[in-house]
Amino acid sequence: QQQVKQSPQSLIVQKGGISIINCAYENTAFDYFPWYQQFPGKGPALLIAIRPDVSEKKEGRFTISFNKSAKQFSLHIMDSQPGDSATYFCAATNTGTASKLTFGTGTRLQVTL
Amino acid sequence: SQTIHQWPATLVQPVGSPLSLECTVEGTSNPNLYWYRQAAGRGLQLLFYSVGIGQISSEVPQNLSASRPQDRQFILSSKKLLLSDSGFYLCAWSPWDYGYTFGSGTRLTVV
Repeated sequence: QQQVKQSPQSLIVQKGGISIINCAYENTAFDYFPWYQQFPGKGPALLIAIRPDVSEKKEGRFTISFNKSAKQFSLHIMDSQPGDSATYFCAATNTGTASKLTFGTGTRLQVTL
Repeated sequence: SQTIHQWPATLVQPVGSPLSLECTVEGTSNPNLYWYRQAAGRGLQLLFYSVGIGQISSEVPQNLSASRPQDRQFILSSKKLLLSDSGFYLCAWSPWDYGYTFGSGTRLTVV
C-alpha cells in the first residue's frame, strides 16, 4: 500500500532529447507527488511537485503528468542537457500523516553530448 | 528564509564506536523533522521522524536512535556502530503540509 514504483532504473538520453521517468503508486490516500533531483554527494533537492487535482504541471523544461485513475505520474524533461545528469526520485505522501514521503527507487539519468 | 544544517559531512568510524549526527533548522518553528538513510546507489529509507520536541517515531527497527531535544534540533545516535550502518544519512525538514528540504548529508563509513 505504501510503495511507489519507479522506472527505468537508468536512462541515457542525447542532448536535446526528452527524458521520461515513470512512477506508479498504490495508496489512494496520497495527495502530494514531488520529484527530487540529486547530484552525487549532495542531498536531494525538490524539483517540481503536483497535487492530484490537476493532470499536468510545467515549470520550465520540467513537466509532471498525472493520471489519477491509473495511479501513475511521470516526469518529462524537455531539451535535456548534460547538466540534467543526476538521479531523480519520485515520491508521494498523504499530507495528513506528518508528511512522510515514500520515495521511488530512483532513476539515474545521463545526458550525452 | 529557512536553512537546514547537517554535520559532519563525512565520518569514518570503527565498528563498535558510538555515533552522533546533528541536524538543525533555522528560520522556522515546529517543523517536522526526518532522518533518512541512502545506501550506495539505492533509494531513500526513512529511519525516524518527529513532529515535535521529544516526539520520535521509528520506521525501521535497527541499531540507531533519534532524539529531538530542542524544537529545531534533531540528533541521530548509535551506541555501537555496525558495518551495516554505513551509508549516506540525510536530515530533512518539512512544514506540516508539504514536501521536504534536505540537508547536505553525512557520508558515514564504518570500518
